[in-house]
Amino acid sequence: DADVTQTPRNRITKTGKRIMLECSQTKGHDRMYWYRQDPGLGLRLIYYSFDVKDINKGEISDGYSVSRQAQAKFSLSLESAIPNQTALYFCATSDPWTDEAFFGQGTRLTVV
Amino acid sequence: SQQGEEDPQALSIQEGENATMNCSYKTSINNLQWYRQNSGRGLVHLILIRSNEREKHSGRLRVTLDTSKKSSSLLITASRAADTASYFCATSTGAGGSYIPTFGRGTSLIVHP
Repeated sequence: DADVTQTPRNRITKTGKRIMLECSQTKGHDRMYWYRQDPGLGLRLIYYSFDVKDINKGEISDGYSVSRQAQAKFSLSLESAIPNQTALYFCATSDPWTDEAFFGQGTRLTVV
Repeated sequence: SQQGEEDPQALSIQEGENATMNCSYKTSINNLQWYRQNSGRGLVHLILIRSNEREKHSGRLRVTLDTSKKSSSLLITASRAADTASYFCATSTGAGGSYIPTFGRGTSLIVHP
């Protein structure tokens, strides 16, 4: 089983719809992240959480919100999706001792 | 803005050749990591080098770090077609354990059989 699991893997949604991307991890780490990847722009940080009660905005948080339901679960929501949110979204967790990050397989989101 | 920037953006070589890609960063770091991404998939950790290290090896990978120049390089020796992927550097910045992985735009490597 994967260390970090994202659902769904692919999603097509309409402009204005609310959508939630889910992430769960089995590494037992407190730190979790959501990134967005666009061609030529690399990975940009949307939100991060260092524990269940700690939520922080990243570089590009506008239009997104998150929920940390448990140590293992970190969800990303688009309250009202717009076409320029079409991207590949990654959830990750990191080991606080080694700094190694573990990524999910990604969610390819298309907003039409 | 992104902390690390990889160079070149794209690299095309023949199987058996060495591939070198570079990463430059802006602020002081605790460590620097390299990751690999196969097309459209999640990133996989390759190697970590700490700020007090200058060189590190792992199999066919060799990483160097020059903190005075704020740069790192990743060398893949005797490349294989299976090495075709995007490679990203990530820097560890922050204080008091508040490390946030920050990635560059990546180098796209194509190894021709």
